[in-house]
Amino acid sequence: ETGVTQSPTHLIKTRGQQVTLRCSSQSGHNTVSWYQQALGQGPQFIFQYYREEENGRGNFPPRFSGLQFPNYSSELNVNALELDDSALYLCASRDRTVGNGELFFGEGSRLTVL
Amino acid sequence: EDQVTQSPEALRLQEGESSSLNCSYTVSGLRGLFWYRQDPGKGPEFLFTLYSAGEEKEKERLKATLTKKESFLHITAPKPEDSATYLCAVSGATNKLIFGTGTLLAVQP
Repeated sequence: ETGVTQSPTHLIKTRGQQVTLRCSSQSGHNTVSWYQQALGQGPQFIFQYYREEENGRGNFPPRFSGLQFPNYSSELNVNALELDDSALYLCASRDRTVGNGELFFGEGSRLTVL
Repeated sequence: EDQVTQSPEALRLQEGESSSLNCSYTVSGLRGLFWYRQDPGKGPEFLFTLYSAGEEKEKERLKATLTKKESFLHITAPKPEDSATYLCAVSGATNKLIFGTGTLLAVQP
């Protein structure tokens, strides 16, 4: 059974650029969610996807968008990057039949915006 | 607004010195309270789910308990490998997972 994998692990962008982060869910998991974790903070919920549709969103602006594909892999896109977007971006998957807090996280993508 | 507050922010223990971490929460319609462990540079690792006041869960040296306003993570006779950040999260009527800022635990040999 493979775990949640994310790519890239680290990347550096400049303000105003766009970034795409990728995630492969754990085998058999049909729900994926994305979180932003700033240094010294807990993860903050960005959005969740189920069956390729967004079905929950946190307090993030529309320049944060996502996709889920038929094989349950997922992307997080961030447009017009700002300095405050620098953070660890975490992807998490779960089987929809278990509680929504029992998540399997990837190791994250560390984004630095200069 | 759903909210989670964890204390202390940081805790340093000697190996074998038992202690507790606190998670206070306010949530509309609690659906679950969750504990995670996060090692540096890694994603959080799920530990426990608690659903109702009075419930307890145990795993090795860790025991999680829940009341109507707070949860405790008790660590009995900790070892250096228990060093990590411990995160608490709640899910309520909004069905969104709200995390606290975590407690950074350091266990010295």
